[in-house]
Amino acid sequence: DADVTQTPRNRITKTGKRIMLECSQTKGHDRMYWYRQDPGLGLRLIYYSFDVKDINKGEISDGYSVSRQAQAKFSLSLESAIPNQTALYFCATSDLTASVSTDTQYFGPGTRLTVL
Amino acid sequence: RKEVEQDPGPFNVPEGATVAFNCTYSNSASQSFFWYRQDCRKEPKLLMSVYSSGNEDGRFTAQLNRASQYISLLIRDSKLSDSATYLCVVNSVDSSYKLIFGSGTRLLVRP
Repeated sequence: DADVTQTPRNRITKTGKRIMLECSQTKGHDRMYWYRQDPGLGLRLIYYSFDVKDINKGEISDGYSVSRQAQAKFSLSLESAIPNQTALYFCATSDLTASVSTDTQYFGPGTRLTVL
Repeated sequence: RKEVEQDPGPFNVPEGATVAFNCTYSNSASQSFFWYRQDCRKEPKLLMSVYSSGNEDGRFTAQLNRASQYISLLIRDSKLSDSATYLCVVNSVDSSYKLIFGSGTRLLVRP
């Protein structure tokens, strides 16, 4: 079984709909991240959480919200989806005990979201 | 200016070739540097960390030049399976455990 899972893997929705993307991990990591990836722009950080009570905005948090329900679960919500939120969304985790120079982020398989 | 810049490529090389990618970063206070590999429509995976003294992992060699603020990745004896996008990554200076990703360099290795 994959260590970091994301559901759904693909989603097509309409403008104005509320969407939730879910991420679960079995790695026991405290740090979790949500990114979006657009062609030519690379990965951009939406939100991140270093433990259950910690939520931080990334560089592109507008239009998104998150919930850290447990150490293993980190959900991303689009309150009212718009077409320019069409992208590939990745969840990632990393180990709290890792040093900065060796910190590795482990990514889920991604959710391809299309907003019509 | 982007915080991490890479040539998008594609670099199209024959099997067995040696190919090198460079990446520049804007913040001299960055401490950690990595190369990630991403296959088409798949998740990124760590290829290797980049250390000040340079480091090698099989056919892959990474170098860091702090004075010029660039990172390089050298791939020797290219294989078809090396075809992928290579992401240059540095840590954010406002929070060390946040990563900033370059947009990637695409490599195509042909038979």
